[in-house]
Amino acid sequence: SYELTQPPSMSVSPGQTGSITCSGDKLGDQYASWYQQKPGQSPVLVIYQNTKRPSGIPERFSGSKSGNTVTLTISGTQPIDEADYFCQAWDSSTAVVFGGGTKLTVL
Amino acid sequence: EVQLVQSGPEVKKPGESLRISCKASGYSFTNYWITWVRQMPGKGLEWMGKIDPSNSYSAYSPSFEGHIIISADNAISTGYVQWTSLKASDTAIYFCARQAISPFGTPFDSWGQGTLVTVSS
Repeated sequence: SYELTQPPSMSVSPGQTGSITCSGDKLGDQYASWYQQKPGQSPVLVIYQNTKRPSGIPERFSGSKSGNTVTLTISGTQPIDEADYFCQAWDSSTAVVFGGGTKLTVL
Repeated sequence: EVQLVQSGPEVKKPGESLRISCKASGYSFTNYWITWVRQMPGKGLEWMGKIDPSNSYSAYSPSFEGHIIISADNAISTGYVQWTSLKASDTAIYFCARQAISPFGTPFDSWGQGTLVTVSS
Protein backbone atom coordinates (compact mmCIF):
# COMPACT_ATOMS: atom_id res chain seq x y z
CA SER A 1 0.00 0.00 0.00
CA TYR A 2 1.03 3.60 -0.60
CA GLU A 3 2.87 5.30 2.26
CA LEU A 4 3.88 8.84 3.14
CA THR A 5 7.05 9.03 5.23
CA GLN A 6 7.67 11.71 7.85
CA PRO A 7 10.30 11.94 10.58
CA PRO A 8 8.71 10.85 13.89
CA SER A 9 10.00 13.86 15.77
CA MET A 10 12.01 17.02 15.54
CA SER A 11 12.86 19.94 17.75
CA VAL A 12 13.39 23.62 17.03
CA SER A 13 14.38 26.56 19.20
CA PRO A 14 11.94 29.44 19.64
CA GLY A 15 12.37 32.03 16.91
CA GLN A 16 14.21 29.62 14.62
CA THR A 17 13.03 27.98 11.40
CA GLY A 18 11.93 24.36 11.38
CA SER A 19 11.10 22.19 8.37
CA ILE A 20 9.20 18.90 8.30
CA THR A 21 9.46 16.67 5.25
CA CYS A 22 7.01 14.18 3.80
CA SER A 23 8.04 11.74 1.06
CA GLY A 24 5.92 9.54 -1.15
CA ASP A 25 6.27 7.99 -4.60
CA LYS A 26 3.19 9.73 -5.99
CA LEU A 27 3.68 13.18 -4.49
CA GLY A 28 5.29 14.50 -7.65
CA ASP A 29 1.99 14.19 -9.48
CA GLN A 30 -0.51 15.39 -6.88
CA TYR A 31 -1.34 17.93 -4.24
CA ALA A 32 -0.54 17.47 -0.56
CA SER A 33 -1.94 19.05 2.57
CA TRP A 34 -0.59 19.56 6.10
CA TYR A 35 -2.54 19.40 9.38
CA GLN A 36 -1.56 20.57 12.85
CA GLN A 37 -2.93 18.67 15.84
CA LYS A 38 -2.41 19.80 19.42
CA PRO A 39 -3.05 17.40 22.34
CA GLY A 40 -6.73 16.77 22.91
CA GLN A 41 -7.78 18.78 19.85
CA SER A 42 -8.97 18.11 16.33
CA PRO A 43 -6.57 18.49 13.38
CA VAL A 44 -6.40 21.92 11.74
CA LEU A 45 -5.53 22.47 8.08
CA VAL A 46 -2.41 24.66 7.81
CA ILE A 47 -1.29 24.11 4.18
CA TYR A 48 -3.18 22.80 1.13
CA GLN A 49 -2.32 22.25 -2.54
CA ASN A 50 1.34 22.02 -1.47
CA THR A 51 1.86 25.74 -0.89
CA LYS A 52 -1.43 27.50 -0.07
CA ARG A 53 -2.30 28.76 3.37
CA PRO A 54 -5.95 28.87 4.55
CA SER A 55 -7.28 32.12 5.94
CA GLY A 56 -6.45 32.51 9.60
CA ILE A 57 -3.20 30.52 9.44
CA PRO A 58 -0.18 32.65 10.34
CA GLU A 59 2.22 33.63 7.58
CA ARG A 60 5.08 31.85 9.36
CA PHE A 61 3.63 28.59 8.02
CA SER A 62 4.64 27.80 4.43
CA GLY A 63 4.75 24.78 2.15
CA SER A 64 6.91 23.69 -0.75
CA LYS A 65 7.46 20.71 -3.02
CA SER A 66 10.46 19.22 -4.76
CA GLY A 67 10.04 16.03 -6.71
CA ASN A 68 8.36 13.43 -4.49
CA THR A 69 8.90 15.38 -1.26
CA VAL A 70 6.74 18.08 0.26
CA THR A 71 7.98 20.27 3.10
CA LEU A 72 6.22 22.27 5.81
CA THR A 73 8.33 25.16 7.06
CA ILE A 74 7.64 27.20 10.17
CA SER A 75 9.60 30.45 10.28
CA GLY A 76 10.11 32.20 13.59
CA THR A 77 8.72 29.19 15.44
CA GLN A 78 6.69 30.01 18.54
CA PRO A 79 6.00 27.80 21.59
CA ILE A 80 2.34 27.61 20.50
CA ASP A 81 3.47 25.78 17.35
CA GLU A 82 4.42 22.73 19.41
CA ALA A 83 2.13 20.02 18.05
CA ASP A 84 1.90 16.95 15.86
CA TYR A 85 1.96 17.61 12.13
CA PHE A 86 0.53 15.24 9.52
CA CYS A 87 0.91 15.36 5.75
CA GLN A 88 -1.89 13.99 3.57
CA ALA A 89 -2.27 13.02 -0.08
CA TRP A 90 -4.15 10.51 -2.22
CA ASP A 91 -3.55 6.84 -2.93
CA SER A 92 -6.00 6.93 -5.82
CA SER A 93 -8.73 9.23 -7.12
CA THR A 94 -10.76 8.50 -4.00
CA ALA A 95 -8.55 6.94 -1.32
CA VAL A 96 -6.70 9.17 1.13
CA VAL A 97 -3.40 8.53 2.88
CA PHE A 98 -1.84 10.30 5.87
CA GLY A 99 1.78 10.39 6.86
CA GLY A 100 2.70 8.90 10.21
CA GLY A 101 3.00 12.31 11.84
CA THR A 102 5.87 14.40 13.22
CA LYS A 103 5.96 15.55 16.82
CA LEU A 104 7.40 19.06 16.83
CA THR A 105 8.97 20.18 20.09
CA VAL A 106 9.81 23.84 20.61
CA LEU A 107 12.58 24.23 23.18
CA GLU B 1 -19.71 29.66 10.38
CA VAL B 2 -18.94 26.13 9.23
CA GLN B 3 -19.41 23.61 12.03
CA LEU B 4 -19.25 19.84 12.29
CA VAL B 5 -20.64 18.70 15.64
CA GLN B 6 -20.19 15.05 16.55
CA SER B 7 -22.13 12.88 18.95
CA GLY B 8 -20.84 12.19 22.44
CA PRO B 9 -18.49 9.52 23.83
CA GLU B 10 -19.57 5.91 23.77
CA VAL B 11 -18.67 2.88 25.89
CA LYS B 12 -19.59 -0.45 24.34
CA LYS B 13 -18.89 -4.17 24.73
CA PRO B 14 -17.29 -6.32 22.04
CA GLY B 15 -19.89 -7.58 19.59
CA GLU B 16 -22.27 -4.66 20.15
CA SER B 17 -23.37 -2.31 17.39
CA LEU B 18 -22.87 1.44 17.29
CA ARG B 19 -23.63 4.46 15.13
CA ILE B 20 -21.99 7.84 15.71
CA SER B 21 -23.00 11.06 13.99
CA CYS B 22 -21.61 14.28 12.57
CA LYS B 23 -24.05 17.19 12.12
CA ALA B 24 -23.01 19.83 9.63
CA SER B 25 -24.05 23.46 9.54
CA GLY B 26 -23.02 26.71 7.89
CA TYR B 27 -22.56 25.34 4.37
CA SER B 28 -24.30 23.39 1.63
CA PHE B 29 -24.14 19.81 2.88
CA THR B 30 -24.33 18.21 -0.57
CA ASN B 31 -21.32 20.12 -1.95
CA TYR B 32 -18.82 18.37 0.31
CA TRP B 33 -17.74 14.84 1.02
CA ILE B 34 -18.09 13.76 4.65
CA THR B 35 -14.98 11.80 5.59
CA TRP B 36 -14.27 9.71 8.69
CA VAL B 37 -10.81 9.43 10.25
CA ARG B 38 -9.68 7.15 13.08
CA GLN B 39 -7.05 7.99 15.66
CA MET B 40 -6.14 5.14 17.97
CA PRO B 41 -4.68 6.05 21.40
CA GLY B 42 -1.35 7.79 20.94
CA LYS B 43 -1.28 7.08 17.20
CA GLY B 44 -1.66 8.89 13.89
CA LEU B 45 -4.57 9.62 11.58
CA GLU B 46 -6.12 6.86 9.46
CA TRP B 47 -8.60 7.54 6.67
CA MET B 48 -11.60 5.24 6.96
CA GLY B 49 -13.84 6.31 4.09
CA LYS B 50 -16.13 9.00 2.80
CA ILE B 51 -19.57 9.67 1.39
CA ASP B 52 -20.88 12.09 -1.22
CA PRO B 53 -24.18 13.24 0.34
CA SER B 54 -25.54 14.37 -3.02
CA ASN B 55 -25.81 10.79 -4.33
CA SER B 56 -24.85 8.59 -1.35
CA TYR B 57 -21.80 7.26 -3.21
CA SER B 58 -19.30 6.00 -0.66
CA ALA B 59 -15.68 4.87 -0.79
CA TYR B 60 -13.78 2.95 1.86
CA SER B 61 -10.21 2.28 2.83
CA PRO B 62 -9.39 -1.41 2.31
CA SER B 63 -8.46 -1.50 6.00
CA PHE B 64 -12.05 -0.67 7.00
CA GLU B 65 -14.21 -1.98 4.14
CA GLY B 66 -16.64 -4.62 5.36
CA HIS B 67 -16.31 -3.52 9.00
CA ILE B 68 -18.02 -0.11 8.83
CA ILE B 69 -20.87 1.53 6.95
CA ILE B 70 -20.82 5.25 6.15
CA SER B 71 -24.12 6.98 5.45
CA ALA B 72 -25.71 10.41 5.38
CA ASP B 73 -29.12 12.00 5.89
CA ASN B 74 -29.42 15.10 3.75
CA ALA B 75 -32.66 16.18 5.42
CA ILE B 76 -30.78 16.86 8.66
CA SER B 77 -27.29 17.47 7.19
CA THR B 78 -25.80 14.63 9.19
CA GLY B 79 -23.24 11.99 8.40
CA TYR B 80 -22.85 8.67 10.17
CA VAL B 81 -20.46 5.79 10.60
CA GLN B 82 -21.73 2.55 12.04
CA TRP B 83 -20.42 -0.78 13.19
CA THR B 84 -22.51 -3.95 13.45
CA SER B 85 -20.04 -5.82 15.65
CA LEU B 86 -17.44 -3.83 17.57
CA LYS B 87 -14.03 -5.16 18.56
CA ALA B 88 -11.74 -4.01 21.35
CA SER B 89 -9.38 -2.76 18.62
CA ASP B 90 -12.07 -0.25 17.55
CA THR B 91 -11.25 1.77 20.67
CA ALA B 92 -10.23 5.15 19.28
CA ILE B 93 -11.22 8.73 18.65
CA TYR B 94 -13.20 9.15 15.45
CA PHE B 95 -13.21 12.44 13.57
CA CYS B 96 -15.45 13.57 10.76
CA ALA B 97 -14.23 16.17 8.29
CA ARG B 98 -15.53 17.80 5.15
CA GLN B 99 -13.82 17.81 1.77
CA ALA B 100 -15.01 19.86 -1.21
CA ILE B 101 -16.22 17.64 -4.04
CA SER B 102 -13.75 18.29 -6.84
CA PRO B 103 -11.59 16.25 -9.22
CA PHE B 104 -8.47 18.03 -7.98
CA GLY B 105 -7.88 16.52 -4.54
CA THR B 106 -9.25 19.05 -2.10
CA PRO B 107 -8.20 19.19 1.56
CA PHE B 108 -10.12 18.54 4.77
CA ASP B 109 -10.82 22.13 5.70
CA SER B 110 -13.13 21.66 8.67
CA TRP B 111 -13.18 18.92 11.30
CA GLY B 112 -15.54 17.74 14.00
CA GLN B 113 -14.47 17.71 17.64
CA GLY B 114 -14.03 13.94 17.67
CA THR B 115 -15.98 11.10 19.29
CA LEU B 116 -14.24 8.78 21.74
CA VAL B 117 -15.37 5.18 21.36
CA THR B 118 -14.28 2.72 24.03
CA VAL B 119 -14.89 -0.98 23.48
CA SER B 120 -14.23 -3.12 26.52
CA SER B 121 -15.69 -6.18 28.14
